[in-house]
Amino acid sequence: DQQVKQNSPSLSVQEGRISILNCDYTNSMFDYFLWYKKYPAEGPTFLISISSIKDKNEDGRFTVFLNKSAKHLSLHIVPSQPGDSAVYFCAADMNYGGSQGNLIFGKGTKLSVKP
Amino acid sequence: DTGVSQDPRHKITKRGQNVTFRCDPISEHNRLYWYRQTLGQGPEFLTYFQNEAQLEKSRLLSDRFSAERPKGSFSTLEIQRTEQGDSAMYLCASSFQGRGHEQYFGPGTRLTVT
Repeated sequence: DQQVKQNSPSLSVQEGRISILNCDYTNSMFDYFLWYKKYPAEGPTFLISISSIKDKNEDGRFTVFLNKSAKHLSLHIVPSQPGDSAVYFCAADMNYGGSQGNLIFGKGTKLSVKP
Repeated sequence: DTGVSQDPRHKITKRGQNVTFRCDPISEHNRLYWYRQTLGQGPEFLTYFQNEAQLEKSRLLSDRFSAERPKGSFSTLEIQRTEQGDSAMYLCASSFQGRGHEQYFGPGTRLTVT
């Protein structure tokens, strides 16, 4: 059973516009969420994260929003650039019991930013 | 380049053979993780080490899989008696102990079992 779900396999956006990638989770024990970006033939790269005590975290063009009641998070990229074209993975973790690192990933969303 | 490195990048083997992969983490990182990724899926956690101690193993890590990190530096992942279902990308990542969420991944080893 998928605990972290990315229901959109792909997303196409025009350069300069906003990209919104969505992620839902089912396990209420998750308390830390991350987004990773992956280019072909490379490993995933950490992008941005958010703790469950926050509802927003911003880093440059990237903002992650967390809605705990809906068990939903989203990544906003503004403005989108062609170099943002990649697969984006949502991941979740729980600190319960001191475990840090057993990340649960979604299936990914392939973002294409067209010039 | 001081990132995470993995060797080999590609491995083709016949069913029933044993294979071993190596991961060299970022030198300052004391945590090391192994993941497996199949087509159309996200990475799936296999196991992780803190220094040389293996602290957690997934149910995915059957008894044909063994991982070691003997001196707390590089790690090896061995698969014995490979099966076609073992074909996947095997990813290694490392992190600081206090920042286990922010993992730095290597490029992966793509295993094909024929």
